[in-house]
Amino acid sequence: GAVVSQHPSRVICKSGTSVKIECRSLDFQATTMFWYRQFPKQSLMLMATSNEGSKATYEQGVEKDKFLINHASLTLSTLTVTSAHPEDSSFYICSALVGTARETQYFGPGTRLLVL
Amino acid sequence: GEDVEQSLFLSVREGDSSVINCTYTDSSSTYLYWYKQEPGAGLQLLTYIFSNMDMKQDQRLTVLLNKKDKHLSLRIADTQTGDSAIYFCAEIMEYGNKLVFGAGTILRVKS
Repeated sequence: GAVVSQHPSRVICKSGTSVKIECRSLDFQATTMFWYRQFPKQSLMLMATSNEGSKATYEQGVEKDKFLINHASLTLSTLTVTSAHPEDSSFYICSALVGTARETQYFGPGTRLLVL
Repeated sequence: GEDVEQSLFLSVREGDSSVINCTYTDSSSTYLYWYKQEPGAGLQLLTYIFSNMDMKQDQRLTVLLNKKDKHLSLRIADTQTGDSAIYFCAEIMEYGNKLVFGAGTILRVKS
């Protein structure tokens, strides 16, 4: 299947700093990528849909100024957690849609963020 | 509204079959998915079924869909210790690409 990578896999930062997480589709082009957040022992919650060349669509309750999403190319979407606080500590997972076929959404390995 | 529910935990012995159940509420779901998540890792797509099907088999995996009862199950035959993970069912609506996940079922396989 298609491969999606995330970088970094793990990051620890101080409160108040910004952290950028990259999501790349390695062997295919993805016009649409998704960003999820997963708290320990909980399910994935969709944060936003990232569309190449246009603004991201955020889910209700997700602060777009806090979680900046940039989908500048067909293989890269970035999520920047601005002015991170301890409550932002979580597991962030991206996924990429292959073409327009709804059934082919492939997930990255996730990024563990710990804000001290 | 969108709601997907799963049992939280299942323990089986190695070699037995595992059956993980899921119920959903939205009748407009078109695709239903099973994902596997190992500790500290992302999600691996195991299989999916289109809503006009009632069964799909893929090697050791069998998916059963009862659309009338909005019930989805994943059967893993000859369960192995490597199958220990969290299994998520998810649905996608008729319009859009948004996946709605259940809370996940922890499968523990005892050797």
